[in-house]
Amino acid sequence: KAGVTQTPRYLIKTRGQQVTLSCSPISGHRSVSWYQQTPGQGLQFLFEYFSETQRNKGNFPGRFSGRQFSNSRSEMNVSTLELGDSALYLCASSKARGVGHEKLFFGSGTQLSVL
Amino acid sequence: AQSVTQLDSQVPVFEEAPVELRCNYSSSVSVYLFWYVQYPNQGLQLLLKYLSGSTLVKGINGFEAEFNKSQTSFHLRKPSVHISDTAEYFCAVNENYGQNFVFGPGTRLSVLP
Repeated sequence: KAGVTQTPRYLIKTRGQQVTLSCSPISGHRSVSWYQQTPGQGLQFLFEYFSETQRNKGNFPGRFSGRQFSNSRSEMNVSTLELGDSALYLCASSKARGVGHEKLFFGSGTQLSVL
Repeated sequence: AQSVTQLDSQVPVFEEAPVELRCNYSSSVSVYLFWYVQYPNQGLQLLLKYLSGSTLVKGINGFEAEFNKSQTSFHLRKPSVHISDTAEYFCAVNENYGQNFVFGPGTRLSVLP
């Protein structure tokens, strides 16, 4: 069974540009969450999607957005990139949501560098 | 609001020695507790989780953790570490909704030969 796949693995962008990251969850998983990982802030929750609807959102500016498609694949978009957006962006999937104890399966992440 | 503290940012230990990685949390309601491990250039993998029942939880790779409600702690232990255990370890909590886990800052375990 294939794991969570994130593409691309590495990205280099310049300030002011926008970027789209992709996440394909494990087959049968309907919940997709996104996290930002930086050395200073650790792992921070961005948002969660389930059945094409955003269910939870972390404390990030509106420049960060996402969506989920009918096949559960998810994309994350960051507009008007800032230097501080440089981070490892992790996607996690799980079978369901709402009970709080579902195991998260993480992808290897997309390493975004903003120059 | 939930929060997680991992007091030790780095823990060096010699191979075959025991190790304990500390985790404390705060929450106004009951929570579920987790330990995840991140190997270099990889995503996170679940080591173990506490949902309810026995306070001693056993996970993969010989790790175990003990939930202590009065001390709001969930420390991770292994009696004898291997070089391959070198990684970053994250403690996380989740209240009974959604997938917005709150992660601690992580503890980098370095196992020395």
